[in-house]
Amino acid sequence: GAVVSQHPSWVICKSGTSVKIECRSLDFQATTMFWYRQFPKQSLMLMATSNEGSKATYEQGVEKDKFLINHASLTLSTLTVTSAHPEDSSFYICSVFPGGFGNTIYFGEGSWLTVV
Amino acid sequence: GEDVEQSLFLSVREGDSSVINCTYTDSSSTYLYWYKQEPGAGLQLLTYIFSNMDMKQDQRLTVLLNKKDKHLSLRIADTQTGDSAIYFCAEIPSSGGYNKLIFGAGTRLAVHP
Repeated sequence: GAVVSQHPSWVICKSGTSVKIECRSLDFQATTMFWYRQFPKQSLMLMATSNEGSKATYEQGVEKDKFLINHASLTLSTLTVTSAHPEDSSFYICSVFPGGFGNTIYFGEGSWLTVV
Repeated sequence: GEDVEQSLFLSVREGDSSVINCTYTDSSSTYLYWYKQEPGAGLQLLTYIFSNMDMKQDQRLTVLLNKKDKHLSLRIADTQTGDSAIYFCAEIPSSGGYNKLIFGAGTRLAVHP
């Protein structure tokens, strides 16, 4: 079964509104989660590292005030795209690493955001 | 810097073998991954290889790692139409902690009859 769950899978929002995407770790506690973004026909790019109980770490070029990340519990991280614009339309996907040598990284199903 | 490169497109006939190549720049990478992404879907982990291995085989999948040349390949034997997808290789660079992935641009595999 799924190890990481994302919600919603698809969302359409109006330009100027905000939209929240959830990432849940189902099988283990995760102090760290990662948010990636993928534009059409491009690769996945790391946006930010979500840290439980502290501020997220953003990659260069990613606006922290636009992409709000909250990691309030060990199983849930949320990404809020504030004042969304059409250029924010993308595929957003989170990942979790359960820790320990030899473990792999698990991805959520991803969330397709379309801003109209 | 950290960089992963892949060819963008590969077309094979059903039943043939597919070989998808990837080069990376961080010689200290510990893990290298192959992910599959079908249209409209998320990422599916296919396999991964630890940097001290040269080869890993898992059913129809064979991963070859040449650390000297920083070259990674994924071979899919007896390729089927269901294998049509985008394949991403990814590395964990030494500078980013042990769970920050750097992805290649993805290779679009098209399987035709």
